[in-house]
Amino acid sequence: DGGITQSPKYLFRKEGQNVTLSCEQNLNHDAMYWYRQDPGQGLRLIYYSQIVNDFQKGDIAEGYSVSREKKESFPLTVTSAQKNPTAFYLCASSRGGTGYEQYFGPGTRLTVT
Amino acid sequence: GENVEQHPSTLSVQEGDSAVIKCTYSDSASNYFPWYKQELGKGPQLIIDIRSNVGEKKDQRIAVTLNKTAKHFSLHITETQPEDSAVYFCAASVEGFQKLVFGTGTRLLVSP
Repeated sequence: DGGITQSPKYLFRKEGQNVTLSCEQNLNHDAMYWYRQDPGQGLRLIYYSQIVNDFQKGDIAEGYSVSREKKESFPLTVTSAQKNPTAFYLCASSRGGTGYEQYFGPGTRLTVT
Repeated sequence: GENVEQHPSTLSVQEGDSAVIKCTYSDSASNYFPWYKQELGKGPQLIIDIRSNVGEKKDQRIAVTLNKTAKHFSLHITETQPEDSAVYFCAASVEGFQKLVFGTGTRLLVSP
C-alpha cells in the first residue's frame, strides 16, 4: 500500500523546545516538500528537497530545519527560533523532473504552549 | 515571484447545482495548474490538473479551464453532491522549479 505517512497526527510541546515531525514515503519519489497551513490561508512552502542529501529553503524557512539522508524520509525540525510554531504541517512528495504532481500526507497538527 | 489569488473564499450551493471557483496568477511563465480538495483534518488530494498547452480538461463532474492571456483558471463542478463539501485549493507552478504556489482556498458547502 503506497503512500505518504506523517507521524504523529497531533503533537504538543512547550515553548522553547525543539520538535521533529516525521515524513516517510514509499512511492519511490525523488522530491519531497514541507508546507505549513494556517487557518484561512493557503499552503506555504517551508523546505523542499529534489534529491537525497540536498534541500532548498522555501518561502518561510526561518526557524525550521530539515535533513534528507534517505530517499524515503524527510524529517522537519521546528526549532525554538520559530516565533509562531502552532500550525498544521503537511508533507508532500513528487516524482521530480517533469512529474509535477505532488501527493500529500495526512498532516501533523502541532500545538506549542 | 508567483502570486495566486483565489475567489470566492466561501461558496454555498444546493445539491445538484454547479459550483465555479476562480484563480488568477501573476507569473506568465507558470505552466502547470493543479486543483486540490482538502477535507477536514486531512491532507489535500489532487483532483485535477491542467498544463498550459491545453485550454480545458474534464474528468466526470469536474472540469478546469485555463485562459493564458488573462492569466486565470477555473474549477467547475457540476451536479454537486454533499460529499463535494470541502476546501478547494488552486496552485500554479513554473516548469523545472517544482514549486507550487497555492491560493488561499475556497470552502465549498453543498446543502442537501
